[in-house]
Amino acid sequence: GQNIDQPTEMTATEGAIVQINCTYQTSGFNGLFWYQQHAGEAPTFLSYNVLDGLEEKGRFSSFLSRSKGYSYLLLKELQMKDSASYLCAVKDSNYQLIWGAGTKLIIKP
Amino acid sequence: ETGVTQTPRHLVMGMTNKKSLKCEQHLGHNAMYWYKQSAKKPLELMFVYNFKEQTENNSVPSRFSPECPNSSHLFLHLHTLQPEDSALYLCASSQEGQGEVDTQYFGPGTRLTVL
Repeated sequence: GQNIDQPTEMTATEGAIVQINCTYQTSGFNGLFWYQQHAGEAPTFLSYNVLDGLEEKGRFSSFLSRSKGYSYLLLKELQMKDSASYLCAVKDSNYQLIWGAGTKLIIKP
Repeated sequence: ETGVTQTPRHLVMGMTNKKSLKCEQHLGHNAMYWYKQSAKKPLELMFVYNFKEQTENNSVPSRFSPECPNSSHLFLHLHTLQPEDSALYLCASSQEGQGEVDTQYFGPGTRLTVL
């Protein structure tokens, strides 16, 4: 079966750095997405990786290793507003998105 | 972000009621999706419409009935729901086609409670 694994919950301190991991086993691979979802709001697109390596976008970076079936989202200089759930999703060989259950990130002052 | 709108935002209904959820996208996309989001579970894809044609129906019970009158509007008609159908229902849209990253953009969702 197809599976996306990410930690259920993480806690970090304001101003610090946090890395949220995502591992996947899917039938084929056509890209990996990270979304941010604040409580009661829509998931919003953060990043897309299809090639191995690091994609940097401001305070957020996303890394992909296709050979390891692994990605991480790196958040730097954490702010209280970064408290949210972070969803990892992989597009499989049928171009269907397979979703992880999300990682709830709690930022403490 | 007002690219994808959904109404109502909250809905409480009894098991014998009939109601409809509405989604509208203002992004010029050609594909629209309905998802169900339950606490601590992955997003569950329910239906996909591509150029107004339904291309996915992931074994969704017949008490959920989608309608896509044009590429900008999507409805989910609900009838005789069960309490376990209580969840956040999310609509999304994307631009499908060669060379497109086809990122999905989501609406704010409808929080549905079935009594």
